[in-house]
Amino acid sequence: DTEVTQTPKHLVMGMTNKKSLKCEQHMGHRAMYWYKQKAKKPPELMFVYSYEKLSINESVPSRFSPECPNSSLLNLHLHALQPEDSALYLCASSPAREGETDTQYFGPGTRLTVL
Amino acid sequence: AQSVTQLDSQVPVFEEAPVELRCNYSSSVSVYLFWYVQYPNQGLQLLLKYTSAATLVKGINGFEAEFKKSETSFHLTKPSAHMSDAAEYFCAVSDLDNDMRFGAGTRLTVKP
Repeated sequence: DTEVTQTPKHLVMGMTNKKSLKCEQHMGHRAMYWYKQKAKKPPELMFVYSYEKLSINESVPSRFSPECPNSSLLNLHLHALQPEDSALYLCASSPAREGETDTQYFGPGTRLTVL
Repeated sequence: AQSVTQLDSQVPVFEEAPVELRCNYSSSVSVYLFWYVQYPNQGLQLLLKYTSAATLVKGINGFEAEFKKSETSFHLTKPSAHMSDAAEYFCAVSDLDNDMRFGAGTRLTVKP
């Protein structure tokens, strides 16, 4: 299995809703990432989990809350979002093996629309 | 901190013409360099990566890139464009802490 999967593919939510984005990989990778991508822009790093510990948090608003239940799963909990949070949310994973070039593999993304 | 600059926001080419997408990097330490492609409404797919093993790197779909330290460049090339190559291309740089930074992207359009 060489895939990163993300669910749901599309999500529409109101500003008072609570929802979660899910990401899964079965490649034995030990680092997982959340990115936010606005239209016609590059992906922006939000969070990095390395060996299930949060290692990078790019000063993302607290209405985004990441969770890494185990080495294969990564969630992004959403609460009280704003319309400007509408974007494509990409998950990625990488082997994170010491001494090797670390390469990130991306999922297809979740298209989020906040009304 | 490391960064990359993609010099062209759009590159139009004719089908079967050669392609060159430019990328320059800035870093004070050893870096890993990558090219990714993104088709509409999809995630990013890895085209190739520079790992310091060889300066000329071959990737998928007939693309290759050459690492030139003296020019701090990592340009992506392909001898002959296909219609299916039309997409957004991102150059990226990563350090040892898994902190990857992307360039602004280059939109490749292919005309028949």
